[in-house]
Amino acid sequence: NAGVTQTPKFRVLKTGQSMTLLCAQDMNHEYMYWYRQDPGMGLRLIHYSVGEGTTAKGEVPDGYNVSRLKKQNFLLGLESAAPSQTSVYFCASRGSSSGGAFFGQGTRLTVV
Amino acid sequence: GENVEQHPSTLSVQEGDSAVIKCTYSDSASNYFPWYKQELGKGPQLIIDIRSNVGEKKDQRIAVTLNKTAKHFSLHITETQPEDSAVYFCAAVESGYSSASKIIFGSGTRLSIRP
Repeated sequence: NAGVTQTPKFRVLKTGQSMTLLCAQDMNHEYMYWYRQDPGMGLRLIHYSVGEGTTAKGEVPDGYNVSRLKKQNFLLGLESAAPSQTSVYFCASRGSSSGGAFFGQGTRLTVV
Repeated sequence: GENVEQHPSTLSVQEGDSAVIKCTYSDSASNYFPWYKQELGKGPQLIIDIRSNVGEKKDQRIAVTLNKTAKHFSLHITETQPEDSAVYFCAAVESGYSSASKIIFGSGTRLSIRP
């Protein structure tokens, strides 16, 4: 099993450009999460989903949108990228009957 | 919403000594507390967890304790080794099929093991 796979691993955007980060999990997990990680600030929750077709806002949702059209995929979109969105983005998933979350390897995004 | 505070932000211990990382949480509804280890360039990895109906859990050199009344939980690493050097995160989760099944993380502790 691949676990949680994030695409792409690296990306440089110009201010105002848009992009979509893809997260795919093959563990049939109900819950999926998107976090951003900035130095000294730990992992901050952007959006999350408790099942196919449902999404909810986390701690820092502004400037991001998400979709969960298929259970195995959770997409994070940036409609108009800003330098403040330069960060490392992590996706995670967990099953409804277990507590542990599995993380992807991260996407390093730079907005110039 | 839930808020998790973690201390210290950095910790340096001599190889073979013990390391303790402490966290506090704010939401009494949180009932699951995982700990993650993150190595450079990788995603966080679950190392141990504890549920609210348990006061202590141990797995070889790693143990976690939970004080529900004080809303404190701690990670204890004994006989530290060089490979324990990493960033450690605590987290609090309100489990269950509800819109509140969020995982909220502490700010992390960078643990360095001195040879």
